[in-house]
Amino acid sequence: AQSVSQHNHHVILSEAASLELGCNYSYGGTVNLFWYVQYPGQHLQLLLKYFSGDPLVKGIKGFEAEFIKSKFSFNLRKPSVQWSDTAEYFCAVNGWSGGGADGLTFGKGTHLIIQP
Amino acid sequence: DGGITQSPKYLFRKEGQNVTLSCEQNLNHDAMYWYRQDPGQGLRLIYYSQIVNDFQKGDIAEGYSVSREKKESFPLTVTSAQKNPTAFYLCASSTDRGPYGYTFGSGTRLTVV
Repeated sequence: AQSVSQHNHHVILSEAASLELGCNYSYGGTVNLFWYVQYPGQHLQLLLKYFSGDPLVKGIKGFEAEFIKSKFSFNLRKPSVQWSDTAEYFCAVNGWSGGGADGLTFGKGTHLIIQP
Repeated sequence: DGGITQSPKYLFRKEGQNVTLSCEQNLNHDAMYWYRQDPGQGLRLIYYSQIVNDFQKGDIAEGYSVSREKKESFPLTVTSAQKNPTAFYLCASSTDRGPYGYTFGSGTRLTVV
């Protein structure tokens, strides 16, 4: 079974601070990794995803994440946050057995608040 | 525009009643999913379907049922057996039986009164 752990449930930063949200997963095989964002009152949106290749992936709105296989980690980063980044962030994993789409497993989320 | 439509947006139910949440997609996606979102719990998979007339239980299927009679539709029934049904329910779909692009609906907030 696959599982995802997000280190921080609540993070408060000031504008222009750097951001790193931790995500670790548990799965023994090939994985696909995702970060989703949910702005207040809006749909879940995909920030970025990793399937294979370059372990440093860039997403929308200046976010990036690095897949470190040896650490089973996929941390999300942004060099300088803005007030509009206030949202809930979810890390998700899909253990790819090749047999089909078994559904994403999500972490419990990190509530990020950016203070002006 | 292609997308996923969930209805209704808000739903109130009396204890002991079954209720069905609608999910329709026009993306021609093979796979569809139901998730439940609770504060501090993230999203948990209830049921998923990779193909018409077939579906699988997710992590928290007890008290729920689904059907997949058409590719476009994947309704979720919250039965009276679900002990804590008040939650936000999200439907999603993806292509080619793979996780290459999940699209989420806008959700249904169910409240049991």
